[in-house]
Amino acid sequence: QVQLVESGGGVVQPGGSLRLSCAASGFTFTTHGMHWVRQAPGKGLEWVALILYDGSNTYYTDSVKGRFTISRDNSQNTLYLQMNSLRAEDSAVYYCAKDRLYGDLSFDYWGQGTLVTVSS
Amino acid sequence: EIVMTQSPATLSVSPGERATLSCRASQSVSTNLAWYQQKPGQAPRLLIYGASTRATGLPARFSGSGSGTEFTLTISSLQSEDFAIYYCQQYNNWPLTFGQGTKVEVK
Repeated sequence: QVQLVESGGGVVQPGGSLRLSCAASGFTFTTHGMHWVRQAPGKGLEWVALILYDGSNTYYTDSVKGRFTISRDNSQNTLYLQMNSLRAEDSAVYYCAKDRLYGDLSFDYWGQGTLVTVSS
Repeated sequence: EIVMTQSPATLSVSPGERATLSCRASQSVSTNLAWYQQKPGQAPRLLIYGASTRATGLPARFSGSGSGTEFTLTISSLQSEDFAIYYCQQYNNWPLTFGQGTKVEVK
């Protein structure tokens, strides 16, 4: 069965960095785009970034452009999110999610999430 | 950015009753619209994609409709496990955007 397992969350000071990981299994990782979606405490969902199946292209929401980098290692079935220059407003549960299929950017499987808290 | 507006914010429904949730896009998203269900402490779950196609294993009491800017999620007869928050999401334009959610609660 499909499994997405995030790790790497924690408490970090404003301006700091954190790297999230998402280990994928149960599907052909190399044929799916992968996303990061976040949810601030008590708030709604916000899409953060997408990387295409082969890593050829990446897309970001405006608020993280230049600060966050999405990447993947297809040999290890792992997705990453490098987060730099973190701000208080980046505090959220970060979910990795897989797209349903190429060209359809709905998310058919999600991980359980990892909590990032940006605070001094 | 396409703004997705869901209504109502909260829907109070008795078990066995019908629930109708609305989602409006600030510009056309064709049928590139998905619905998700989220329960407390859990990740979202895909219910509907392509505005009207049920995800694998989803009970037939869930249905989606609409195109362009107006969309509806209908739950024909609410079961206890359906009380949750529901989000719509458009994937027609960058950035991908979600509605703010509709909470379906027990009346």
